[in-house]
Parts: sequence; structure tokens; C-alpha cells
Amino acid sequence: AQSVSQHNHHVILSEAASLELGCNYSYGGTVNLFWYVQYPGQHLQLLLKYFSGDPLVKGIKGFEAEFIKSKFSFNLRKPSVQWSDTAEYFCALGGSSNTGKLIFGQGTTLQVKP
Amino acid sequence: GAGVSQSPSNKVTEKGKDVELRCDPISGHTALYWYRQSLGQGLEFLIYFQGNSAPDKSGLPSDRFSAERTGGSVSTLTIQRTQQEDSAVYLCASGSSGNTIYFGEGSWLTVV
Repeated sequence: AQSVSQHNHHVILSEAASLELGCNYSYGGTVNLFWYVQYPGQHLQLLLKYFSGDPLVKGIKGFEAEFIKSKFSFNLRKPSVQWSDTAEYFCALGGSSNTGKLIFGQGTTLQVKP
Repeated sequence: GAGVSQSPSNKVTEKGKDVELRCDPISGHTALYWYRQSLGQGLEFLIYFQGNSAPDKSGLPSDRFSAERTGGSVSTLTIQRTQQEDSAVYLCASGSSGNTIYFGEGSWLTVV
């Protein structure tokens, strides 16, 4: 069965600090992986996605994530966070076919202090 | 439309009443999902429609929950005999290929 685990539930950083949010998944087949972001009062938006190819994927707003197959991980990173990055971040897993559900992790709340 | 549209945006209902939540997906998207977001619970998968295939209902929490998708477009999520634990934000999402999905703004349901 598919599952996604985000170990950091609540992260507090100061502006300019580096960010890494953990995401681990469980699935026996080829995967598609996503990070979604939900800013306060807004709907979920796609931050970045990995389907195949270069395991280091770059998304919007300076975010990137690295797919490490041997570790079943897809951690999200940003070298220098801004106050505007305060949001909830969700990692999601889909199977490699174009059909099938997306399973989301529990989410990580990031609070960036100015 | 330009995005996924959900209605109502807010609904307060009395315990025991039935509610219907509507989702208009992005035009041309074959996949449609319903998720539930509760405080501290993340995103809980409810049901998934893909084209004309039988829906994946594996996430529906009880037989009080049902959903249909008419004509491969609009979807309605129905909750019968609502309970207080049903209070949550119900999110609809649609997608075309490659699993990338786009979310609506959600329907906030409060059961009192």
C-alpha cells in the first residue's frame, strides 16, 4: 500500500535560514512525487514535481527537492527562507500510471520569523 | 472555467441533516478527487474518479458518504446524517495526465 510520512510537523525558522523538510514514502513501484504548498487563507498549489529523469527538481520560489530512491525520500529544500514562505507544506505520492490516487502526507507547518 | 470551483464555500448544518457539496473541475480534466482536510489531520483521500472507470471509493470513511460524477464533469459529494466529526474542509481536485492535480478552494463544513 502507498503511504507518505512527513516527520516534521511544525518548523520554526528565522528569515535567511536554510530549510529542509523531510518526506519518506512507501511504495513498491515507480513513483511520481509532489510537493504542494498552502499559504494562509489560500488553496493548495503545486510547488514542484518529480516524474523521472534528474532526481533534483526545481520548483517555484527557489524551492527544490531531491528524489533519493535508495532512501525512499523526497525532501524539500530552500537555501534561504523568507517570511512569505510561512505556509503548510504537503508531500504527495502517486503511482507511475496516469490513473490512480495521490496520497498526501500529514503536512508540515512552516513558520518563518521576520 | 479557469480553475476548480467548489460550492458552497461555507456550510453550517445541524447534526443529522444531509449535505451536498459540489465540484466543477477544470474543463477537459478526466480525473477528479475528493479529499478531506481536518485540523492536524492532513489531507485524507476520500474518492477518485477517472474517466469512465469505476470510482476508487476506498477512502470514504463510512456508508454515510457517497459521491457521483455526472457526464464526466461535475461531481457531488453527499454526506447523510451528518455528525460533528464530519466538520472539516472538503477539497476537490482535478487533473489530466501525470497525476498533477489542481485544487479548488474547498467547502468548509461545520456540523453543530
